[in-house]
Amino acid sequence: NAGVTQTPKFRVLKTGQSMTLLCAQDMNHEYMYWYRQDPGMGLRLIHYSVGEGTTAKGEVPDGYNVSRLKKQNFLLGLESAAPSQTSVYFCASSPQYTEAFFGQGTRLTVV
Amino acid sequence: GQSLEQPSEVTAVEGAIVQINCTYQTSGFYGLSWYQQHDGGAPTFLSYNALDGLEETGRFSSFLSRSDSYGYLLLQELQMKDSASYFCAVQNRDDKIIFGKGTRLHILP
Repeated sequence: NAGVTQTPKFRVLKTGQSMTLLCAQDMNHEYMYWYRQDPGMGLRLIHYSVGEGTTAKGEVPDGYNVSRLKKQNFLLGLESAAPSQTSVYFCASSPQYTEAFFGQGTRLTVV
Repeated sequence: GQSLEQPSEVTAVEGAIVQINCTYQTSGFYGLSWYQQHDGGAPTFLSYNALDGLEETGRFSSFLSRSDSYGYLLLQELQMKDSASYFCAVQNRDDKIIFGKGTRLHILP
């Protein structure tokens, strides 16, 4: 009964380093989303995907890239991390136009 | 652009009823959702409205007026465990799900 699983749960990066956050879902959902959450800012959409091989920009895409090579996985990449990217990152999956299921989040600190 | 407005904080007494409002501006609106998030946790789905009217799920109800670009979440028989942040979110025909900044609900004993 895994649902949406995010890896890793915590990470500390140095400025300029790169990393990839992995999101995996086992519910056969077409739609997947990456959000960042900062205090007082709610959840802001970074990128999303409506199916395998597709990606699209959200509200705050700069500094991030994504890939959806397999339907069950949605990867979020930071090519050159900056302190402004310190945040909690949430992945979600959804059937179209209905409930979104969230992973437990990744706490990323960039120093 | 898209925007959602909801109060930043609401305080209510245990056992009472509280209403959290949400107004939105967006193009290609499809539906309005509500999510709950406890401190340190992930958002969890509460309700979804695509049509005008009231949807009831146990102690929680959600209302939508598409003509007014307005919705609300109603929580009845408040319990201490309902202390959390509540987010409204619009689902658009471009497949984005856009969240408001959230309402922190404080419950007094």
